[in-house]
Amino acid sequence: NAGVTQTPKFQVLKTGQSMTLQCAQDMNHEYMSWYRQDPGMGLRLIHYSVGAGITDQGEVPNGYNVSRSTTEDFPLRLLSAAPSQTSVYFCASSYWRGQGANTGELFFGEGSRLTVL
Amino acid sequence: TQLLEQSPQFLSIQEGENLTVYCNSSSVFSSLQWYRQEPGEGPVLLVTVVTGGEVKKLKRLTFQFGDARKDSSLHITAAQPGDTGLYLCAGDGNDMRFGAGTRLTVKP
Repeated sequence: NAGVTQTPKFQVLKTGQSMTLQCAQDMNHEYMSWYRQDPGMGLRLIHYSVGAGITDQGEVPNGYNVSRSTTEDFPLRLLSAAPSQTSVYFCASSYWRGQGANTGELFFGEGSRLTVL
Repeated sequence: TQLLEQSPQFLSIQEGENLTVYCNSSSVFSSLQWYRQEPGEGPVLLVTVVTGGEVKKLKRLTFQFGDARKDSSLHITAAQPGDTGLYLCAGDGNDMRFGAGTRLTVKP
């Protein structure tokens, strides 16, 4: 019953530090995505992927990098953390049926709370 | 600017009251989803609506998709404290975009 697993759950960084948020899913989902959630802003899409080797930008991609080397894993990298990146980050996956199909039901991890000082 | 506008942003009611929350957009979506999120957890899907004018019921929750597939509403009958949470709508297309949510508090 693992579903979507995110690590770490909490992290404090100093401005300029780099780090990677890990996301793994065991449902064999092709579609994976990263969102950030800020008060009053809802969930905003950072990057998404429709399969291994394929990634694309969402609404707020600046300052973040992603890669998708396997179906299971979709790490999010912060290259040089800024206070504006203080947020709760959610990874989500879905069973995507292919080109032209809807995203479908998203399964979310429990979130990673990041504070940048 | 949010692609999906949700209203109200906050709603606090007494147990047993009815309520409606709204999700509006200028864009047409092939489908729209409603999620509920509790503190410290990720959102969980409540329902997906696909057809314009569609109405779906989930116990005391009634979801409606607008005829033009640009808007949706969620009506809760006889709200209970267990309904407390953040209700998010999301428009489905090439990717999923969310509204800012309605934070509902139901007081005993």
